[in-house]
Amino acid sequence: EAEVAQSPRYKITEKSQAVAFWCDPISGHATLYWYRQILGQGPELLVQFQDESVVDDSQLPKDRFSAERLKGVDSTLKIQPAELGDSAMYLCASSFTTATSTDTQYFGPGTRLTVL
Amino acid sequence: KQEVTQIPAALSVPEGENLVLNCSFTDSAIYNLQWFRQDPGKGLTSLLLIQSSQREQTSGRLNASLDKSSGRSTLYIAASQPGDSATYLCAVKGNTPLVFGKGTRLSVIA
Repeated sequence: EAEVAQSPRYKITEKSQAVAFWCDPISGHATLYWYRQILGQGPELLVQFQDESVVDDSQLPKDRFSAERLKGVDSTLKIQPAELGDSAMYLCASSFTTATSTDTQYFGPGTRLTVL
Repeated sequence: KQEVTQIPAALSVPEGENLVLNCSFTDSAIYNLQWFRQDPGKGLTSLLLIQSSQREQTSGRLNASLDKSSGRSTLYIAASQPGDSATYLCAVKGNTPLVFGKGTRLSVIA
């Protein structure tokens, strides 16, 4: 069964350092999402791509976060510089379409970031 | 702004018991509602998706209902098993990205 791949699974970094996360969606899925999940909370959307274009990045802290999906397939989320409050699980998800009534999102295993 | 609330926050039941998890949302103008399962330190697994025109969906021992007008959904788990222990999240899709509740942490005791 096809799955969303993410790496690394765990990342420990010191504040002010740069970190990057990678996501490979399910083949053929045009829509890709990055979420941040703080412990004990539900995931919150950071950015949504349709192919290589950003559809929604309204909740992305653009002063330190950036995301790209250059060829419309895999994607990278970067944080520079990392802050203590960035410690969270970063989840990637993909869906075949953005059809609102049938859109099921499939999630990857996540990257657990700890900022010291 | 859509808000999703899940009650209870945590639940512990003996194996074999039937149980109900609750989800409420403030804006009834939704396209669909989805229930997910999350194991500790892992990603989310989709369990059931209910479209706004539907009243319920079933998969094995799971049954999810949706009452859009009252802004409520329930997830019914029959004959619970220790393997059902996880956090269950509901999420609603409207004209905004998916909005998640904080989840219900379920423990099924053998």
